[in-house]
Amino acid sequence: NAGVTQTPKFQVLKTGQSMTLQCAQDMNHEYMSWYRQDPGMGLRLIHYSVGAGITDQGEVPNGYNVSRSTTEDFPLRLLSAAPSQTSVYFCASSEPGQGDEKLFFGSGTQLSVL
Amino acid sequence: AQSVAQPEDQVNVAEGNPLTVKCTYSVSGNPYLFWYVQYPNRGLQFLLKYITGDNLVKGSYGFEAEFNKSQTSFHLKKPSALVSDSALYFCAVRDGNGGFKTIFGAGTRLFVKA
Repeated sequence: NAGVTQTPKFQVLKTGQSMTLQCAQDMNHEYMSWYRQDPGMGLRLIHYSVGAGITDQGEVPNGYNVSRSTTEDFPLRLLSAAPSQTSVYFCASSEPGQGDEKLFFGSGTQLSVL
Repeated sequence: AQSVAQPEDQVNVAEGNPLTVKCTYSVSGNPYLFWYVQYPNRGLQFLLKYITGDNLVKGSYGFEAEFNKSQTSFHLKKPSALVSDSALYFCAVRDGNGGFKTIFGAGTRLFVKA
């Protein structure tokens, strides 16, 4: 039972490079989201999706793009990495309105931008 | 817009003593409230939730939380702390009136001393 799978676990980028953080879930959840975790700032919502083809911005969307072509996958794209994007990124999914409102989290991606 | 405040960066308690980790929230609709825990070098785990019903909710590892609508609070409690409870605790809120975003607080680090 895989749950939410994130890849890669670690990544080092140079300023200006682009990359995609992958997130996949096998629970058929409609809701998926991306957070970044920084010391003293908790988890901040980057983007979220309520189903295939539907995405919306969270609290800190600038510098990130998302798409949701399938229910299972929700990749996060950094278009031109900046040192301020050094963080730990978590993907999460849930099935709101079905009685189990909690978020299921992936194990995280630690990203360093030099 | 919804928000969560965790007024204490850190809480220190002695093993065997009761612990409280504070959380207040702001949301326009009905609050769906959650507590998550993050152990060192691990992902986030769900502890408990309040959706509706009894104001006192019980969760994993002996934790409980009390929903207080008039004070807009959802404090996490445990009658007798264990050293193994030492971790980072996050309070989160979702707008139950059709909202999908889950917003987190900045987190409170709990230290339980033997």
